[in-house]
Amino acid sequence: DGGITQSPKYLFRKEGQNVTLSCEQNLNHDAMYWYRQDPGQGLRLIYYSQIVNDFQKGDIAEGYSVSREKKESFPLTVTSAQKNPTAFYLCASSISAGDTQYFGPGTRLTVL
Amino acid sequence: KNEVEQSPQNLTAQEGEFITINCSYSVGISALHWLQQHPGGGIVSLFMLSSGKKKHGRLIATINIQEKHSSLHITASHPRDSAVYICAVGSDTGNQFYFGTGTSLTVIP
Repeated sequence: DGGITQSPKYLFRKEGQNVTLSCEQNLNHDAMYWYRQDPGQGLRLIYYSQIVNDFQKGDIAEGYSVSREKKESFPLTVTSAQKNPTAFYLCASSISAGDTQYFGPGTRLTVL
Repeated sequence: KNEVEQSPQNLTAQEGEFITINCSYSVGISALHWLQQHPGGGIVSLFMLSSGKKKHGRLIATINIQEKHSSLHITASHPRDSAVYICAVGSDTGNQFYFGTGTSLTVIP
């Protein structure tokens, strides 16, 4: 089965701790994206990567970091510098930038 | 300023009704996407449009490039159509995607 997986589905962390969200795809897509979704707001782009070993900041990159060492994987680290990290995080991928994006199931992060 | 505006924000319909969700955008686009987000959070891409009209089952999406407007129609609505429908556009000047805030649809049996 081809698709995008995100794990875990629910994640709880104490304030001040860094946390890494996993995103893996086996669709052979070049482009991958991380979005944040808050109640009543549209999806907002955190980071995107058009190709391995390259990534660009999105609209709300502050307090987040990413890596793209492998084509299949695009992990997102939520650092302690992120002021309001509790949110629903969605990962997506596309064949190339600008193509239809396919979304993972999301990770709901709650910082206590 | 939102590059993508959707209306209505919330919509409740009786089963069987014809439903229309509207999307207006203010940027030049390479394509417009309609997405469906289920209560669990998962998002599915319904349509990608750059012109004209597409149909898939009971769903129809149209786009008017000159007016920068798109509509998503659902014919013979069913409770399983209850979800949030999100309009998104891919910018024609780069790799940016802009998302509407979504329309929350509830179809009552």
